[in-house]
Amino acid sequence: SQQGEEDPQALSIQEGENATMNCSYKTSINNLQWYRQNSGRGLVHLILIRSNEREKHSGRLRVTLDTSKKSSSLLITASRAADTASYFCATDRGAGSYQLTFGKGTKLSVIP
Amino acid sequence: DAGVIQSPRHEVTEMGQEVTLRCKPISGHNSLFWYRQTMMRGLELLIYFNNNVPIDDSGMPEDRFSAKMPNASFSTLKIQPSEPRDSAVYFCASSLGGNGGELFFGEGSRLTVL
Repeated sequence: SQQGEEDPQALSIQEGENATMNCSYKTSINNLQWYRQNSGRGLVHLILIRSNEREKHSGRLRVTLDTSKKSSSLLITASRAADTASYFCATDRGAGSYQLTFGKGTKLSVIP
Repeated sequence: DAGVIQSPRHEVTEMGQEVTLRCKPISGHNSLFWYRQTMMRGLELLIYFNNNVPIDDSGMPEDRFSAKMPNASFSTLKIQPSEPRDSAVYFCASSLGGNGGELFFGEGSRLTVL
């Protein structure tokens, strides 16, 4: 079963706008990660947030984590056409867990 | 530095044929994962190796699938015999530690079984 599920499934915005994607998960986690996948390519790690963190920034990316609601959000500010990709959240199953479970992703289209 | 290297990038084969997918993880990484990606089911973990030893193969769909890791720099995923429902993109990923940290993915092998 899916541990993390993203919404929306698809998002289309104009260049320069902000994009927000959400992820919900079911069981307790140690870390939550976000990955990007360009069409026809492999997944690329963007950011990892630990269960004891509430917010993390990396460049134009801002990730929040609410463990009480079992949810996370990824905000991309000032989007660019090059941000067009699918974005996935990935969750582990607690401390010491090796297995990452991925959601089905949000497909982001940034229109120039 | 070279990332995770997978081959072939594309494979088209006929039902019943044997398919072998190959992966070279990042040097120094001790954990290797094989994932399968389809539109319907998303990314599914097939098998996880740690220090070349298979730790969890519960995601391998059936006996037609097998995976090996003879040394730290090479792994194979074999499907014999292949079926049309095996058509998917197969990803290999490696990491340091295997404790839920960052995964480094290859570019994938797109398999089409006719």
